Amino acid sequence: GAVVSQHPSWVICKSGTSVKIECRSLDFQATTMFWYRQFPKQSLMLMATSNEGSKATYEQGVEKDKFLINHASLTLSTLTVTSAHPEDSSFYICSATGPGAIQYFGAGTRLSVL
Amino acid sequence: AQSVSQHNHHVILSEAASLELGCNYSYGGTVNLFWYVQYPGQHLQLLLKYFSGDPLVKGIKGFEAEFIKSKFSFNLRKPSVQWSDTAEYFCAVIETDKLIFGTGTRLQVFP
Repeated sequence: GAVVSQHPSWVICKSGTSVKIECRSLDFQATTMFWYRQFPKQSLMLMATSNEGSKATYEQGVEKDKFLINHASLTLSTLTVTSAHPEDSSFYICSATGPGAIQYFGAGTRLSVL
Repeated sequence: AQSVSQHNHHVILSEAASLELGCNYSYGGTVNLFWYVQYPGQHLQLLLKYFSGDPLVKGIKGFEAEFIKSKFSFNLRKPSVQWSDTAEYFCAVIETDKLIFGTGTRLQVFP
């Protein structure tokens, strides 16, 4: 089946630093990828839609300068959390639209900002 | 915009009990509906989906869901749960290529 790989699975960083999270579709090409944020015991909140070769589309209330998204190829999208602060600590999940128009999810990245 | 409601936040069952998790979406028309499962420490996996056709959809691991258009519902069922079904279950609907998720239902199955 279609596989989406997300890296790293866990990252700890100091306040004020930037963190990059990678999302790769391993055995299919994805023109569209999605980035979600999941708070403890809550649902997934869509942050942005990442489109290959064009600018990402951000959901209302999501700071595009804070959460930089790059989708440079058909198999890779990156999310960079710039100048991270403790309130950015969360679980970030990516997905990619694959065969059958199904979204396939990565395993998620736990970000802890100290 | 679409929204999805899952009224069961936490369900506790014994093995072999039957399961039904509720899911309602906010408005009609053509809808594509999904149930995803997240096992502890793992990524979201697709259980089943409804795009069109037979409103009774069968998925993996013995799960099924019924789309009832008049009730805006897509409830998930399993006749006999197992301990390994312990997980978080999310109902979702597609709106302009975006998945709109419900708040999830945590299922705990005890042996």
